[in-house]
Amino acid sequence: KAGVTQTPRYLIKTRGQQVTLSCSPISGHRSVSWYQQTPGQGLQFLFEYFSETQRNKGNFPGRFSGRQFSNSRSEMNVSTLELGDSALYLCASGRGPNTGELFFGEGSRLTVL
Amino acid sequence: QQQVKQSPQSLIVQKGGISIINCAYENTAFDYFPWYQQFPGKGPALLIAIRPDVSEKKEGRFTISFNKSAKQFSLHIMDSQPGDSATYFCAASEGRGNMLTFGGGTRLMVKP
Repeated sequence: KAGVTQTPRYLIKTRGQQVTLSCSPISGHRSVSWYQQTPGQGLQFLFEYFSETQRNKGNFPGRFSGRQFSNSRSEMNVSTLELGDSALYLCASGRGPNTGELFFGEGSRLTVL
Repeated sequence: QQQVKQSPQSLIVQKGGISIINCAYENTAFDYFPWYQQFPGKGPALLIAIRPDVSEKKEGRFTISFNKSAKQFSLHIMDSQPGDSATYFCAASEGRGNMLTFGGGTRLMVKP
């Protein structure tokens, strides 16, 4: 059974650009959550999607957005990139919205120059 | 506001020893407490989880102890092995939801 697939794995952007990250959850999983991991702030919740609807959103500015498609794949977008957006962005897949068991991908490492 | 505080930040244990990581939370609405293990270059992987209606849960060498009145929970790794060397995160959520609040992480090194 394939795990959570995140693309791209690594990317470098410059300030002011935008970036789109993609996540394919485990087959059959309908919930996708996104987390940001940095050395300073640790793991922080960005947002959660289930059945194409955003269920929860973390305390991040509006530059961070996401969406989920009918096949449960998800994308997150960060516009007007700032140096502080450099981080590992992790996608987590779950069977449903309240299963409590999340399966994380290996992440997309974003570097903003 | 850091709602889940984790300690220590780093831990060195001899092979065969017991590793103990502690977490404390503030939000009394939290009712699901998972622990994740993360190796370098990998995403976190769920190790074990507990709900507040039990005080202890054991899976293999990993045990969670939970103290609801103190709002604290801990992970014990018995017979620690070098392969256990990783970063461990405690977390908490409401209603077993997928919006997890993570602790700051503990980098564990098990010396052979």
